[in-house]
Amino acid sequence: AQSVAQPEDQVNVAEGNPLTVKCTYSVSGNPYLFWYVQYPNRGLQFLLKYITGDNLVKGSYGFEAEFNKSQTSFHLKKPSALVSDSALYFCAVNQAGTALIFGKGTTLSVSS
Amino acid sequence: DADVTQTPRNRITKTGKRIMLECSQTKGHDRMYWYRQDPGLGLRLIYYSFDVKDINKGEISDGYSVSRQAQAKFSLSLESAIPNQTALYFCATSGQGFYNEQFFGPGTRLTVL
Repeated sequence: AQSVAQPEDQVNVAEGNPLTVKCTYSVSGNPYLFWYVQYPNRGLQFLLKYITGDNLVKGSYGFEAEFNKSQTSFHLKKPSALVSDSALYFCAVNQAGTALIFGKGTTLSVSS
Repeated sequence: DADVTQTPRNRITKTGKRIMLECSQTKGHDRMYWYRQDPGLGLRLIYYSFDVKDINKGEISDGYSVSRQAQAKFSLSLESAIPNQTALYFCATSGQGFYNEQFFGPGTRLTVL
């Protein structure tokens, strides 16, 4: 069965510093991987996805993610964090299955 | 106007009551989904529908039912609500193909007393 793990419940970073939110996955074939962000009292917003091709994927709001097949990881990154990036981030996978399988989420807190 | 709308946005009800949550979308997508979100558990899939005549159970379908009234409408029912169904419920849509991202509604906060 496919699954997603986000090993950190919370990530704290100072504004201006680089940030990384970790995600690992388990699927039996080639995965489709997604990152979503949820701001307080809002629905989830799509950030970026990996389908195939270049392992470095660029998305909205300056975020990017690196697909690493050997480590089965898809970490979300941003070179310089903003206070407004503070939110709940979800990694998700779909391997030609039914629907997205989500991780449990990581709360990103950016301090000024 | 929002592409995916959910009604109501908030609902407080009592144990044993029947509740319906509604979802409408204007994106023209065939695929629609219902998830619930609980703190620390992420989003879990309740039901999904790939077209009007297709209904499938997700990870946590017990205690829930759905109806796909049209391409644009997908409703979720709790036949007899219980307190552990207190959660945030999201509807989502996507185009055909598992590589397509899902678009989420704003959510319905349901409290069962």
